[in-house]
Amino acid sequence: DMQMTQSPSSLSASVGDRVTITCRASQNIDSYLNWFQQKPGKAPKLLIYASSSLQRGVPSRFSGSGSGTDFTLTINSLQPEDFATYYCQQSYGRFAFGPGTTVNIK
Amino acid sequence: EVLLLESGGGLVQPGGSLRLSCAASGLIFNSHAMSWVRQAPGKGLEWVSTLTDSGSSTYYADSVKGRFTISRDNSKNRLFLQMDSLRAEDTAVYYCAKMEGSGSYTFGGYHYMDVWGQGTTVTVSS
Repeated sequence: DMQMTQSPSSLSASVGDRVTITCRASQNIDSYLNWFQQKPGKAPKLLIYASSSLQRGVPSRFSGSGSGTDFTLTINSLQPEDFATYYCQQSYGRFAFGPGTTVNIK
Repeated sequence: EVLLLESGGGLVQPGGSLRLSCAASGLIFNSHAMSWVRQAPGKGLEWVSTLTDSGSSTYYADSVKGRFTISRDNSKNRLFLQMDSLRAEDTAVYYCAKMEGSGSYTFGGYHYMDVWGQGTTVTVSS
């Protein structure tokens, strides 16, 4: 079965920082990779689909890259509203999510 | 604006059944595949099931296969999840989500969940 891992599991950052989150698939998934943001008590929100396509309405400080097994979500100039948990998800076969990365305020 | 509203959650005993419903508005419902995703308390997201736009193809996570059944009524813009033989580990918030994208569901496709409901809570406990 397809396994998704994320690193780090959590990080602390300050407003204005550049943050990078990594997602790794257990096998080649081409560019079939999505990223979501979730805040406590709220539904997930789609940020990036197909590895690097920005969802309509999502700020341009969010970007995604990668293909094959290794992927990255980058947040440029972290804003107060960006403190949340981020999940990657593959759409190669079924829709497994990664375990999540929590971005905390330093 | 596309809106999804889940209902049907509640407290059920182990071995029992529950039927979740998701009412959709603001979209051409029969043009979109739909999914259920759940989140156990304090845990991450877990994909549960996906149903194609026509309802002809269904996909399930191994953890629910044979116990859960996804279905839809395109005439009423509703998605359902029939949950049988419930276990304590099925306790979670259940979200319905609208799908976008294209391609295969089993060998690579650019599918993504672009609109989510607010979730309904299912608690399995004696």
